[in-house]
Amino acid sequence: SQTIHQWPATLVQPVGSPLSLECTVEGTSNPNLYWYRQAAGRGLQLLFYSVGIGQISSEVPQNLSASRPQDRQFILSSKKLLLSDSGFYLCAVTGTPSSGNTIYFGEGSWLTVV
Amino acid sequence: GEDVEQSLFLSVREGDSSVINCTYTDSSSTYLYWYKQEPGAGLQLLTYIFSNMDMKQDQRLTVLLNKKDKHLSLRIADTQTGDSAIYFCAALSGGSYIPTFGRGTSLIVHP
Repeated sequence: SQTIHQWPATLVQPVGSPLSLECTVEGTSNPNLYWYRQAAGRGLQLLFYSVGIGQISSEVPQNLSASRPQDRQFILSSKKLLLSDSGFYLCAVTGTPSSGNTIYFGEGSWLTVV
Repeated sequence: GEDVEQSLFLSVREGDSSVINCTYTDSSSTYLYWYKQEPGAGLQLLTYIFSNMDMKQDQRLTVLLNKKDKHLSLRIADTQTGDSAIYFCAALSGGSYIPTFGRGTSLIVHP
């Protein structure tokens, strides 16, 4: 089964500073990868997904970008953070069809922009 | 597109059964999922059901699917304080690889 590593777990960043959240996956190859954000209202918002190296689809236009430099690495970035970027960021990976195409989540990264 | 709805809160007494309900709109949904999120943690998959099934049981968890009404429920038997969490329902439409999530139901278990 796949393992998702996500870091940093917690960070506090000033407005206008850059951001880099990293996610790596073990135990699978050529996975679909996702970045979600969970704000105070609890709902999950899909930010980006990727079906392969260098292939990024953006679901919501905003201050963030994503990159997939390697098959099992997915990075969420920002050049200048806004207060509204605060939230809980979750990386996720799709399992195999035998597991119901389930999406598995990492432990998340808490971002507070001050 | 798919829309998934679930009530926001449920309060139960320890030892009772909990039933969390969810509705979805896309009749072509192939897989339906239940996730649990404890405070400060990621979402943990509890179980999933394929759309050609009516019921799935796994220890204290029972999932019921009414495909005609597009209604999914999660029953937790003998609810414990450790079951207090947010429970998310999700549906995967046929041909898609991006499930749609509900907003989550906060389950509060009190003694």
